[in-house]
Amino acid sequence: DQQVKQNSPSLSVQEGRISILNCDYTNSMFDYFLWYKKYPAEGPTFLISISSIKDKNEDGRFTVFLNKSAKHLSLHIVPSQPGDSAVYFCAASANYQLIWGAGTKLIIKP
Amino acid sequence: GAGVSQTPSNKVTEKGKYVELRCDPISGHTALYWYRQSLGQGPEFLIYFQGTGAADDSGLPNDRFFAVRPEGSVSTLKIQRTERGDSAVYLCASSPSSNTYEQYFGPGTRLTVT
Repeated sequence: DQQVKQNSPSLSVQEGRISILNCDYTNSMFDYFLWYKKYPAEGPTFLISISSIKDKNEDGRFTVFLNKSAKHLSLHIVPSQPGDSAVYFCAASANYQLIWGAGTKLIIKP
Repeated sequence: GAGVSQTPSNKVTEKGKYVELRCDPISGHTALYWYRQSLGQGPEFLIYFQGTGAADDSGLPNDRFFAVRPEGSVSTLKIQRTERGDSAVYLCASSPSSNTYEQYFGPGTRLTVT
């Protein structure tokens, strides 16, 4: 039973446009949500997070939105740049454990 | 400063053999986590250390898997009688404390069991 789902295995976006990555979860006890970015042959690197008591967090080109009633969060990247091409993982925190989605491969086209 | 390092980066072993995977966390980080990532999936929690003790090993799939962190720094994940299904990337992460949500990951060890 997947508690964190990323339903799009891949996403292709034109450079300069907005990239929107989506994530759904089932456990209402999650108290923190994080997005990680992963390049091939490297470990995931932390990108941005949001507490369950907030509905938006912004950091430069990256914004995460949380809709608790829908148990849905999204990551917006604007404008998208070629270096943003990577696999993006959504993770939810239950105490110290991170429960991860399967990832979405983002491809930024020049 | 140095990030999390893992050795070896790649390990190929025969079915039935014993392997050890090493993790060097960021200096001063008290919390250490092991995850396993299979192809096309997100990381899956295995075990969590706070200091020297395993605070939660509920993610270890069976008793062939064991991990230690004897001095509260370096950790070793040990797999006995390896099986082909153990093939995956094993990721280690550390954080300043268990109250920190952000975890810092190493590059992983790709284990292939033939």
